[in-house]
Amino acid sequence: DMKVTQMPRYLIKRMGENVLLECGQDMSHETMYWYRQDPGLGLQLIYISYDVDSNSEGDIPKGYRVSRKKREHFSLILDSAKTNQTSVYFCASRDCQNTLYFGAGTRLSVL
Amino acid sequence: GDQVEQSPSALSLHEGTGSALRCNFTTTMRAVQWFQQNSRGSLINLFYLASGTKENGRLKSTFNSKESYSTLHIRDAQLEDSGTYFCAAEVIASSSFSKLVFGQGTSLSVVP
Repeated sequence: DMKVTQMPRYLIKRMGENVLLECGQDMSHETMYWYRQDPGLGLQLIYISYDVDSNSEGDIPKGYRVSRKKREHFSLILDSAKTNQTSVYFCASRDCQNTLYFGAGTRLSVL
Repeated sequence: GDQVEQSPSALSLHEGTGSALRCNFTTTMRAVQWFQQNSRGSLINLFYLASGTKENGRLKSTFNSKESYSTLHIRDAQLEDSGTYFCAAEVIASSSFSKLVFGQGTSLSVVP
């Protein structure tokens, strides 16, 4: 069963703290994504990764960085989190037929 | 920038009826994907279309790349069809990659 796993599911942080969101997939997909979802704005692309150590900025990369050291893992890092980074974060991977598989999301609150 | 406009923003259907959701694109898109976000917040891939029409059960989607729009038809709606439906357009971002641009979603409520 194809799966994208996100950890943690819920996270509360204080402004200025560092945040690590993790994503794993067991399908050996090369391409992975990080999105955030906010009310009224749909899903916005933060970063794309095409394979290990091959990452590109999406539409809203400011305040974020990513790490992909293994094909099956793609991490999103917030150095010094801000309150406007409170959101639901989704990771996705894409198969060779361009179908996207999403994780269940991480709900991050920055206080 | 590239935009995807979805309509309607909200829709209520009685069980057993049907309707169509629409996505308009401001520029030429390579393909379109449709997703359902259910009550638990999970995003489920429904269709990927580079052209033409696909059908799966009570759902059917078309993509007209020349006129830059896509539709998702739901027939015989069931309560479990409730949720938010997103279309996402595949845009060529550079010579080496493409990206998905999402619409703002259609909130569908199916009522008895």
